[in-house]
Amino acid sequence: EPEVTQTPSHQVTQMGQEVILRCVPISNHLYFYWYRQILGQKVEFLVSFYNNEISEKSEIFDDQFSVERPDGSNFTLKIRSTKLEDSAMYFCASIGQGKAGELFFGEGSRLTVL
Amino acid sequence: GESVGLHLPTLSVQEGDNSIINCAYSNSASDYFIWYKQESGKGPQFIIDIRSNMDKRQGQRVTVLLNKTVKHLSLQIAATQPGDSAVYFCAEISGGEQFYFGTGTSLTVIP
Repeated sequence: EPEVTQTPSHQVTQMGQEVILRCVPISNHLYFYWYRQILGQKVEFLVSFYNNEISEKSEIFDDQFSVERPDGSNFTLKIRSTKLEDSAMYFCASIGQGKAGELFFGEGSRLTVL
Repeated sequence: GESVGLHLPTLSVQEGDNSIINCAYSNSASDYFIWYKQESGKGPQFIIDIRSNMDKRQGQRVTVLLNKTVKHLSLQIAATQPGDSAVYFCAEISGGEQFYFGTGTSLTVIP
């Protein structure tokens, strides 16, 4: 069964450091997403990406965040200067044709900022 | 923005009983709803979806009911099993690309 894969599974970093979280979406999917989930809270939308550009982003996705799809397979989330409150699980997701439908999530990358 | 909320944060049921998890949504323009299951330490997993032109949809051991009049969504799990223990989220989509998730209900199945 196709799946979304994410690396690393857990990253610990110092406040102010840059972090890159990587995702390999399902190969024939066209829409890509990053979500985050602070421990014990709901899953929150960060950004959606289609046709090599951001199509929507939330208020959480400020200038410290960026996404790119550098090589047609990886989809990355970069946090330029991490803050303590960036500690969360970050989920990548992808979807096939059409905007609605089954959103496939990866297993998540846990980010801990010290 | 849209608001998707769950009536009960926790639910405990005996193994073999049926479970009902409820969800309220606020955007009457939402046209698509999905239930996700999230096990500890894992990403959300699709369970079942329903479009706004339907009232009910059944899957394997699961049924989703949609009441657009009161903007209410429910997930029914038949013959609940220990493996069903997880957090269940409803999500709504209203034409854009954002899936709005509720806060989740934690289901615990008691053997």
